[in-house]
This record gives sequence, C-alpha cells and structure tokens, in this order.
Amino acid sequence: NAGVTQTPKFQVLKTGQSMTLQCAQDMNHNSMYWYRQDPGMGLRLIYYSASEGTTDKGEVPNGYNVSRLNKREFSLRLESAAPSQTSVYFCASRGFHTSPDEQFFGPGTRLTVL
Amino acid sequence: GNSVTQMEGPVTLSEEAFLTINCTYTATGYPSLFWYVQYPGEGLQLLLKATKADDKGSNKGFEATYRKETTSFHLEKGSVQVSDSAVYFCALTLYNQGGKLIFGQGTELSVKP
Repeated sequence: NAGVTQTPKFQVLKTGQSMTLQCAQDMNHNSMYWYRQDPGMGLRLIYYSASEGTTDKGEVPNGYNVSRLNKREFSLRLESAAPSQTSVYFCASRGFHTSPDEQFFGPGTRLTVL
Repeated sequence: GNSVTQMEGPVTLSEEAFLTINCTYTATGYPSLFWYVQYPGEGLQLLLKATKADDKGSNKGFEATYRKETTSFHLEKGSVQVSDSAVYFCALTLYNQGGKLIFGQGTELSVKP
C-alpha cells in the first residue's frame, strides 16, 4: 500500500518549457487535489477533482491544467513554465468512506523554473 | 472570505519545554479544523482534528480545542522532543466544499536537545 505517489521528485525547467507532474493513489479515494507550497504562504489549492471525470479550479489555477485520467491518477500540466511557478507541488487524496475529513499527501515535487 | 492565520515562526524551544502555536480562523459557515505536520523532506500528515465547537483533538501528546467564541484552534504540547521538529500547519475545511483545505502559512518548530 504505497498511499499517494508523485513523480518526479525534482525537476528543473527553463522558462517556456512544458511538463506534467504525475500523481497516483492506491487507496480507492474519490477526491484528489493539487497544492503548491511557497515560503510564508502555506499550501494553496491549484485544482481538485471531487470524483472521477470532474475537475474544478482552486485558488491559484492560472498557468496550470489538470487531467483526472482514472480514479487512481490525477496529473498537473504546466504548458509554458514561468519562474513564478517555482514551488513545491503536493498531490493529495481523500476518501468518503474511510476518513472523510482527512487528506493524504504525497511526498511532493520540487520544481525550479529558470 | 475564509482564511487561517498562524503565529509567525520559526519557533525554537529546548527539549521538554511547553509548546503553543496560535491559530485563528475566519470562515463563512461552520468549519472543521485541522493541524497537519510536515517533517523535513516529507509531505503533510494529519496530526489532529476537531469538527465542532468545544471538541478537543489530540494525538502524540499534542492537543487543540475548537473555540468558536474566539475563532481559535491553538496547538499545545506539554513537553516537546527533538523529534517534534517540523513545520505545523493549521487548516480548515467547510461542509459541502469538496473537502478543499484552506491552510495557514505554517509555523516551523525547532527543538534543541
């Protein structure tokens, strides 16, 4: 039972490059989330998916797209990276039938945009 | 709007000292309140939670009480250990909001032997 996994762990991009951050969970959770963590600002929600087939914007969605590929996987895409997207990105999931209030977090992806 | 405010860090304590990390919130509605902990190099883990007024959440010696009258959820521990060194996040979620968490800015705790 791996929980929530994220790939890659680290990534360096140049301005304008694109990339996809991958997230998968093996807990049969319905809801999945993408957050970014910046110093002094806590975690801010980028996008979330309440259930398979649905996605919604969070607090800071500009410059990002997401895909809920299936129940397990939720990817985050940066189409044209900017230095302001330098951050640590966390994926999380939540299950209604186990602990409906608790989100389980992955280990994070540290992204630097030069 | 909905928001969470935590005391500024970093906080540095000696082992066995008493810990308080203040957290206050603003919410339109009746939130559930959480403390998450992030150990170095890891993702966040739920430390404790409270879902209604006067509830006390507790785990690993940490406690926090949901105070509706003061809109607060302060984290306390009577005797900290070096292993408690981490970043602590206060957060809230509102009913029927898809489980979205709103986080405070985080408070870094460093415990010295």
